Order: sequence, then C-alpha cells, then structure tokens
Amino acid sequence: DQQVKQNSPSLSVQEGRISILNCDYTNSMFDYFLWYKKYPAEGPTFLISISSIKDKNEDGRFTVFLNKSAKHLSLHIVPSQPGDSAVYFCAAWGGGADGLTFGKGTHLIIQP
Amino acid sequence: DADVTQTPRNRITKTGKRIMLECSQTKGHDRMYWYRQDPGLGLRLIYYSFDVKDINKGEISDGYSVSRQAQAKFSLSLESAIPNQTALYFCATSGGVNYGYTFGSGTRLTVV
Repeated sequence: DQQVKQNSPSLSVQEGRISILNCDYTNSMFDYFLWYKKYPAEGPTFLISISSIKDKNEDGRFTVFLNKSAKHLSLHIVPSQPGDSAVYFCAAWGGGADGLTFGKGTHLIIQP
Repeated sequence: DADVTQTPRNRITKTGKRIMLECSQTKGHDRMYWYRQDPGLGLRLIYYSFDVKDINKGEISDGYSVSRQAQAKFSLSLESAIPNQTALYFCATSGGVNYGYTFGSGTRLTVV
C-alpha cells in the first residue's frame, strides 16, 4: 500500500510560468515532509522541507504548502527555469517508519 | 570530495554472480540506508543501519545482504544476482529527521 503518492508521472510547464507538483499521503503519523530533486546520473538532492506544525515554507523560488486535513502537500516553483527540469520526489518522515517514505516521483519538463 | 561516495558507478554482471556495492560517507552520521530506484516505482528501501551494530531490513530486502564495517562504511551485497535486480542503487546517510538524507551518486547495476 503506497503511503506517499505522486499521481502525476510527468508535468510540462513553460519557462517563466509556475510549476505545481502535488503529493498526497495516507499515514496521519507522518510529521515531516521533504522534496528532493534528481537529475539523470546523479543522486537525489534535498530541495525544501516542511514540518507538520506549519502550513507553508518558502525558500527563494520554491514554496511548499501543507494541508494536513487533506493529507496533501504541493511544491510551487516560481518562475520555472530550464534548470528545474528534473524528477521531483516527495518524501515523508514518521508514521512508525525508521526512515523516509518516498513517492514515485514526478518528471518536470520546463519548455522554452 | 563528495559527502557520500558509491563504488562502482556502473557495473554489468552475470546471473548467479556475487557482487558488492560499496558506500562511504564523510558526514559523520550514524544512520545509513540503501535504496533502489526502478522506473515508475520511485525509491524503495532495501536495508538501513542506525549504527555499526544495528542492521534492519527494509521493504525489499530479499536477495540482498549488508555489512556495516564502520560508522562511515555500509556495503550492499547481492549473493546471487538475478536480472530483476537490474536497477539504480543509492546509498544515503542522515543525521536525523530534521536533516533529511544526503545521497550518493548511485550505482547503475545491470544483471545479464
């Protein structure tokens, strides 16, 4: 049973526009959420995180929103740049697990 | 030097062969993890270790074994490789929930 779900395998956005990547979770015990970015032939790198006691965290062009009642979080990238083209993984900590639980990833493609 | 180093970067091996993937980290963290990535399946946990004497199975440990030789070293072995173990393997280390993971660059393993 998948506890962290990224239902969009891919997303195409025009350069300069907003990219919105979505993530849903089922385990109400998750208490910390992270987004990772992965380029081909490289390991995932940490992008931004949010604690369950917050509903928003912002870092430059990246903002993560958390809606606990809906068990939903989203990553907003504004404005989108060509270097943002990558696979983005949503991950959650807690819920009785001893490490991060990852979603399947969303491949973001920024078109010129 | 990278915080987390994986060797080899690429490996092709034959069915039935034993192979070891190595991981070392310079972060000084106690927690280390092995994940595999398959297209459309995201990152799945194979084994994890919270210190040298602590080894735990993850979601997909069958067919794999690990050794934690030191705080900085965590190796993954395939005792008898099979083709469905063809995947991208990532090692990661963590200082705890608020630190997320630091990943290595990955090992691309092909079993023919």
